[in-house]
Formats: sequence, C-alpha cells, structure tokens
Amino acid sequence: DIQMTQSPSSLSASVGDRVTIACRASQSISTHLNWYQQKPGKAPKALIYAASSLQSGVPSRFSGSGSGTDFTLTISSLQPEDFGTYYCQQSYSSPLTFGPGTKVDIK
Amino acid sequence: QVQLQESGPGLVKPSDTLSLTCAVSGYSISSGNWWGWIRQSPGKGLEWIGYIYYSGSTYYNPSLKSRVTMSVDTSRNQFSLKLSSVTAVDTAVYYCAIKGPDSFDHWGQGAQVTVSS
Repeated sequence: DIQMTQSPSSLSASVGDRVTIACRASQSISTHLNWYQQKPGKAPKALIYAASSLQSGVPSRFSGSGSGTDFTLTISSLQPEDFGTYYCQQSYSSPLTFGPGTKVDIK
Repeated sequence: QVQLQESGPGLVKPSDTLSLTCAVSGYSISSGNWWGWIRQSPGKGLEWIGYIYYSGSTYYNPSLKSRVTMSVDTSRNQFSLKLSSVTAVDTAVYYCAIKGPDSFDHWGQGAQVTVSS
C-alpha cells in the first residue's frame, strides 16, 4: 500500500496569511494526488485533483503543486471560512489511501 | 447538481451485516462514473472501501474485500454497500461519493454506523 504523510499535523494562522501544507507519498504517484477540505461534522469537499487542477467552484486562492512523491497545497491568503482539516489522497494505485490530515485554525 | 444521500441502520450488532444505500439525485448513475464508499473513524482516519461502475464492475480495498459487496440499482438511481461480519472496528461514518477521473468529486453527508450489542 502507498502510505501518505502530511505536515504539519496542525497549524494556526491569521487571516491574510499564506499557508502551505505538505503531503508525501511513500512511492512515486506521478500527479495522481487530490486534496480535500473537511469541516467539523461535514463530508470532505474536493478542492484539487491531479495535483494542481482546481475543482469547479473552488476559490483561486487554493492551489496545488508537486509530482512524484512530494506535493503542496497552498492557500495564498487565508480566509475565515478556510478553517478545517485538509487531507491529501493518492489515486495512483489500489488501495486508494488518504493522508492523516492537517488541521487549520484561524488565529 | 449531483446530490448523494446515505441511508441505513445506525446500529448494527457484532457479526451481523452492515447495509447502506446511497440515493443519487441530479445525475443518472447510468451516465457513467464510478460510485464509491469511504469511511471515517477516529482510529483509522479516512479509509477507501471500494467503488462500483453502473455496469456492476467493482474495485474493493483488499483489506476489506472478503467482507464487502457493492451493487447498483439503475432503476432506482442508487447503489449499495454490504459489509459482513462486522466488529467494533467497523464503527465509523460511512460516506458515498461520485468518483471523477482522479478524485471523489461529490460526497454524501455521511451516515454514522455503530457496531455494538
């Protein structure tokens, strides 16, 4: 199985800050990497697919980059509604696997 | 816009079979796409269970494959999950979702299932 790790596990940032979340795969997954945002009590929401493509309706302050084993989710200017937990997920091979999540709090 | 809604018993006894259904609206299952199940528990995080095509083809997580059965009912525009021989570790929130070429693009709200006697 491909193991996904994320760092940091949590962060606290101010409105307007640039936020970066890292995701690493245990082996190369090309660009088969997706990002989700989850708020408490809600289902995950797809943000980014194929490492860098923005899902329809997702604000342009969200962006993704990377290939191989190392990936990054960036929020260019953190907004109050961006709190929640962010997960990466690989779709390169079965079983599909998710990272443990990064919790983002607003200062 | 596609919407998904899980339904099924919230409490299942150990060794019984967990059964959930996902009703799809705003999109025809027969139009294509893979339809998936994912669960989330405090202990294991997000775990992919499997997905099914409208034709009935399936892919299951090998760790659950021996206990999982998925099916699709195009006439009712819904798909289902059965997980047999459940134990406490199967207690989780179960989500259904539509899978695009890469990601799970839309998710249901989730159904809490507790395994307990």
